[in-house]
Amino acid sequence: ILNVEQSPQSLHVQEGDSTNFTCSFPSSNFYALHWYRWETAKSPEALFVMTLNGDEKKKGRISATLNTKEGYSYLYIKGSQPEDSATYLCARNQGGKLIFGQGTELSVKP
Amino acid sequence: DSGVTQTPKHLITATGQRVTLRCSPRSGDLSVYWYQQSLDQGLQFLIQYYNGEERAKGNILERFSAQQFPDLHSELNLSSLELGDSALYFCASSSTGGLGTEAFFGQGTRLTVV
Repeated sequence: ILNVEQSPQSLHVQEGDSTNFTCSFPSSNFYALHWYRWETAKSPEALFVMTLNGDEKKKGRISATLNTKEGYSYLYIKGSQPEDSATYLCARNQGGKLIFGQGTELSVKP
Repeated sequence: DSGVTQTPKHLITATGQRVTLRCSPRSGDLSVYWYQQSLDQGLQFLIQYYNGEERAKGNILERFSAQQFPDLHSELNLSSLELGDSALYFCASSSTGGLGTEAFFGQGTRLTVV
């Protein structure tokens, strides 16, 4: 993998569903992996920054894991709510450059 | 409110013109990043400054330049504008620009070139 890739591109779930998305990145020369939440008409907001292989972080119903050896991170949302609707971005820190993936657009229907 | 201020919020200008976008980082943050988001594109990294010096460079066009001033605010200068330069330009700041430091984004400047 040469770039930061996110899947799926979009996701439509019902309120109460749990969901997860994937961020894949080059595993060589890893420094840090960031997750951001980007609501329409707002600016991206940091969720997590992870640096160590095996890191797990949690904020409320949202959690993330990191595997630096195989180059992936998962973001989980438990019991999705309509207010979780947003684009979720991951970014790999490459020596100061934050390189973003294209994002996963999540839509949660009431 | 992230604490990062970008001005102006909207800018409409003609092809061939030059514009300056301004960013004031969060109080105490030394590092500033600039990103471009064009239609249907993700956030494209342009350039990073740390305490007044250029630290990292992305695919920034030669027509674009940036600087960070002693008071740590930053300006992105876009010249000889083309229609394709129409985009949302974001500035972000972080405390050190270090590996595990989260970045805080401004509200963006929407540039429209006509």
